[in-house]
Amino acid sequence: SQQGEEDPQALSIQEGENATMNCSYKTSINNLQWYRQNSGRGLVHLILIRSNEREKHSGRLRVTLDTSKKSSSLLITASRAADTASYFCVGSTLTFGKGTMLLVSP
Amino acid sequence: GAVVSQHPSWVICKSGTSVKIECRSLDFQATTMFWYRQFPKQSLMLMATSNEGSKATYEQGVEKDKFLINHASLTLSTLTVTSAHPEDSSFYICSARDRPWSPESGTQYFGPGTRLTVL
Repeated sequence: SQQGEEDPQALSIQEGENATMNCSYKTSINNLQWYRQNSGRGLVHLILIRSNEREKHSGRLRVTLDTSKKSSSLLITASRAADTASYFCVGSTLTFGKGTMLLVSP
Repeated sequence: GAVVSQHPSWVICKSGTSVKIECRSLDFQATTMFWYRQFPKQSLMLMATSNEGSKATYEQGVEKDKFLINHASLTLSTLTVTSAHPEDSSFYICSARDRPWSPESGTQYFGPGTRLTVL
């Protein structure tokens, strides 16, 4: 199955620092999406990057996609305590990885 | 962005009873809806996919007679957990999109989830 695998599993940083999360997948995709989930809540769509795009920005978010390596990265710049959440990537199919749990301390 | 609601937000029930969870798309017509289950600190596991006007497609290992899915209209899908048992306790999340599922299509819109606890 095409499963996004996020790395690291958990990340703890201070407010103001940048957070980088990586995602790898196994089969070809048409697009890849990143979602965040606050504890016990639903998912919020962050950004979608298509297979013919290499980089995309949205506010403090920067996503890259390397289809040759079947990998993507999500960079959150100038992190805030409110960014504390789990982050998931998912390819064109519907299988989620376990996510990266990000903790941003004030 | 598009909004998906779920009702109820949480439910506690006795073992053996049935529980119905509703998923509604509030400002768009959802051609395709998905139901996920998430155990604590685990990922979302897709249970089933339903396209309006057709029966739901269940993922391997999901009992269709236990988890009844009805895509009643373009704005409503229901998941009924029949004869619930404690092992069915979980966080159930629905998502919807405004076009039939295909790999080329884009975003899913997720509901806030329903926490089910079976005593």
